[in-house]
This record gives sequence, structure tokens and C-alpha cells, in this order.
Amino acid sequence: GIQVEQSPPDLILQEGANSTLRCNFSDSVNNLQWFHQNPWGQLINLFYIPSGTKQNGRLSATTVATERYSLLYISSSQTTDSGVYFCAVGDKAAGNKLTFGGGTRVLVKP
Amino acid sequence: EPEVTQTPSHQVTQMGQEVILRCVPISNHLYFYWYRQILGQKVEFLVSFYNNEISEKSEIFDDQFSVERPDGSNFTLKIRSTKLEDSAMYFCASRKPGQGIYEQYFGPGTRLTVT
Repeated sequence: GIQVEQSPPDLILQEGANSTLRCNFSDSVNNLQWFHQNPWGQLINLFYIPSGTKQNGRLSATTVATERYSLLYISSSQTTDSGVYFCAVGDKAAGNKLTFGGGTRVLVKP
Repeated sequence: EPEVTQTPSHQVTQMGQEVILRCVPISNHLYFYWYRQILGQKVEFLVSFYNNEISEKSEIFDDQFSVERPDGSNFTLKIRSTKLEDSAMYFCASRKPGQGIYEQYFGPGTRLTVT
């Protein structure tokens, strides 16, 4: 099946800093989603981005499907950005189920 | 904006008991999924469901698990005889029909604790 690798596994930031999270995947995909898991365990959908670039406030994401990677940018980080960020991909050959990466745990210090 | 809802938010059960986790997908969605996340681990696919039948299931989804869409709105996951290792967060997801639309919408999860 498709493999999804996220880096770095852990990230400690000072409030106000910028950061880039990376997601590499091993095969063609028709779905790529970024999630933020909050302290209550809920998965908050950040982006649906199988290709191209999107922005939502201080967050933006870029997926280069031909090179099989996606990047999530956090600008001017805030303490509320802390949590685990997951990348998940889906492909038609696998029935469109999502395969999740291992996540990047982000801690933003005040 | 429509949301996927799940009940209960937290369920505690004794080993060997049956549990039913409930989900109400978004109303015009036709594809339904269950995922689980053991504490500290990544989210894993369990099963997908379309047109009143299972379309795919993972190795985790053994005979102890079953899914059902008992009416036009609910989608349930049943674990027949719970084990300690079934303790996890269970997420329901749904997506709309149509070519080129693959985004899945996740519910808030049910935390299952088996004692």
C-alpha cells in the first residue's frame, strides 16, 4: 500500500516563528488532506489539497503531486497552533481510503 | 455548515461486552468510513461502506467488528466482544458522491476505553 512519511516528527517553536511541515508519499494520489489534532483528540480538517496551493489565514499548503510531496506552512505561530499535524492521502486504487502519516507534534512556546 | 456527528463522545466498557458506536454522516454523502487511533499512534483505516455494503476493510476489521446503516441517517460500528486492545479513539468520516470529489469529513470521535 501507499506509504506516507511526515517530517520532522517533533517541532518546538517560539511564538511568532514560522515553520514548514513536510509530507512525502510513495504513489500517485487523488486526495491529500492536512489535519490538526487538538488536545481533545478531534481531527480538524485544515486543507483538502491533492495538488496546488491554498491559504487560510496564517496557514498555507502546497502539494506537488508529480514529485509526491506536500508542505504545510505555519506563519506567525501562536500557542493555539500546538498539537499534532497529520497528513493523509488517498488513491483510487486503494478504494479512496485515507492512509495517514505518523504526524508532526508541534509545541509553540509563549 | 453540515458536520459529521458521533455519539457517545466517551464510552467505558468492560472486556467482553458489546459496544455500538454511532455516527450521523452529512446528509447528502454516500461514502462512509471508520478509522481508529490508539493513543499516541497514527490514525488507521478500518472499513469503508457504500451502497449498503462494505467496499473495503483492513486487517484490523475482523469478525468482531461489523458496520450497519440501519436507517437513512445513522452509520454504526459494532464491536461484539471488546478486548483491552480495542481501547482507542474511533472516527467516522463521510464524503459526497461524484467524480473528482474525494475530501473526507471527519466526526469528533468516540473515545472507547475497555477495562
